[in-house]
Amino acid sequence: SQTIHQWPATLVQPVGSPLSLECTVEGTSNPNLYWYRQAAGRGLQLLFYSVGIGQISSEVPQNLSASRPQDRQFILSSKKLLLSDSGFYLCAWSPLAGRSYEQYFGPGTRLTVT
Amino acid sequence: GDSVTQMEGPVTLSEEAFLTINCTYTATGYPSLFWYVQYPGEGLQLLLKATKADDKGSNKGFEATYRKETTSFHLEKGSVQVSDSAVYFCALSSTGANNLFFGTGTRLTVIP
Repeated sequence: SQTIHQWPATLVQPVGSPLSLECTVEGTSNPNLYWYRQAAGRGLQLLFYSVGIGQISSEVPQNLSASRPQDRQFILSSKKLLLSDSGFYLCAWSPLAGRSYEQYFGPGTRLTVT
Repeated sequence: GDSVTQMEGPVTLSEEAFLTINCTYTATGYPSLFWYVQYPGEGLQLLLKATKADDKGSNKGFEATYRKETTSFHLEKGSVQVSDSAVYFCALSSTGANNLFFGTGTRLTVIP
């Protein structure tokens, strides 16, 4: 069966510090991968998605970036965090690259920027 | 563009009450429709789905029917439990799209 992992689960970082969040998927090949952010009490905001290694689409311009160095690994990064980057970050995958089906979410990373 | 409009919350119900959370959508083509549930501090879990008109998705006592004529996918449960307290998201997947469109979420609180 497929599983999706995210780490760390919780992170507290000062303003201006770098960020690296990692997401890995097991049990499937060539998935679509997604990064979402959920601000407190709010809905989901799609940040990035990827249909293959090295292929990243950005949905919202910001100081975040994403990379996909391996088929089942998706990384969210920032060089300098802002207070507004605080939130709950969710990674998700869908079964078939290039076509949209249901998405399966990881447990999330709660980021607090102080 | 494609979008989902979801009933505003929060919704508070007594245990064993009937639940309806409204969801309507706008989409070109023939989207697939989903309900996700998010328990406190967790990621989203797929609750149920429907991929074509008149399909009924069901899981854990929850049901939703894909109504193309009213562009709706309302979530229902006949008798809610305290453990159903969560945020519920309606979502759609359009033909040829690479992502889901989510509603804003509806928080449900069930009191004993």
